[in-house]
Amino acid sequence: ILNVEQSPQSLHVQEGDSTNFTCSFPSSNFYALHWYRWETAKSPEALFVMTLNGDEKKKGRISATLNTKEGYSYLYIKGSQPEDSATYLCAFITGGNQFYFGTGTSLTVIP
Amino acid sequence: DAGITQSPRHKVTETGTPVTLRCHQTENHRYMYWYRQDPGHGLRLIHYSYGVKDTDKGEVSDGYSVSRSKTEDFLLTLESATSSQTSVYFCAISAVVNQPQHFGDGTRLSIL
Repeated sequence: ILNVEQSPQSLHVQEGDSTNFTCSFPSSNFYALHWYRWETAKSPEALFVMTLNGDEKKKGRISATLNTKEGYSYLYIKGSQPEDSATYLCAFITGGNQFYFGTGTSLTVIP
Repeated sequence: DAGITQSPRHKVTETGTPVTLRCHQTENHRYMYWYRQDPGHGLRLIHYSYGVKDTDKGEVSDGYSVSRSKTEDFLLTLESATSSQTSVYFCAISAVVNQPQHFGDGTRLSIL
């Protein structure tokens, strides 16, 4: 069993604020890192797949960075909107094809 | 949306009974996964499949078995359900391991 930590556990921000969260994972046996967005009463939806140290990915106002040497990834949301309210999950994938999800960061954007 | 169907969507059963959950995909993806979601634990991998008749254990495989006799179907079986297996179960699929997973809508299983 392996630890994937996400922080903070929950976050409330005002509409228009920018925010970021962290996913920490072991720096050994890294294969890939996934970010997912999970809205209440729906299933998780993929945001990014990151495989290389130094990777930066962007989709609209959301971006992510990856540091495999120190074992962390950041997810950034610029100019948060109420529709960004969701739980954001990261998943660490090992060389042995095992998936370990963090418990998520719950984001609430207040209009 | 990826073509993934989980059945049943809800089930209530008694301790000691066998339970089978089905995941059906229409995407012809190689990889299929079963997760359980519990408060405070997020999603935990139970078993996954990397092809027909090819399966492997995940983090929380005890008490569960799986079978994949066709590309499109991945079955999760609780041979003798226990109350600790009350959970929401999600199936996911992906074409290759380092591509994003697409999730089904989940099955809410209650074991009394």
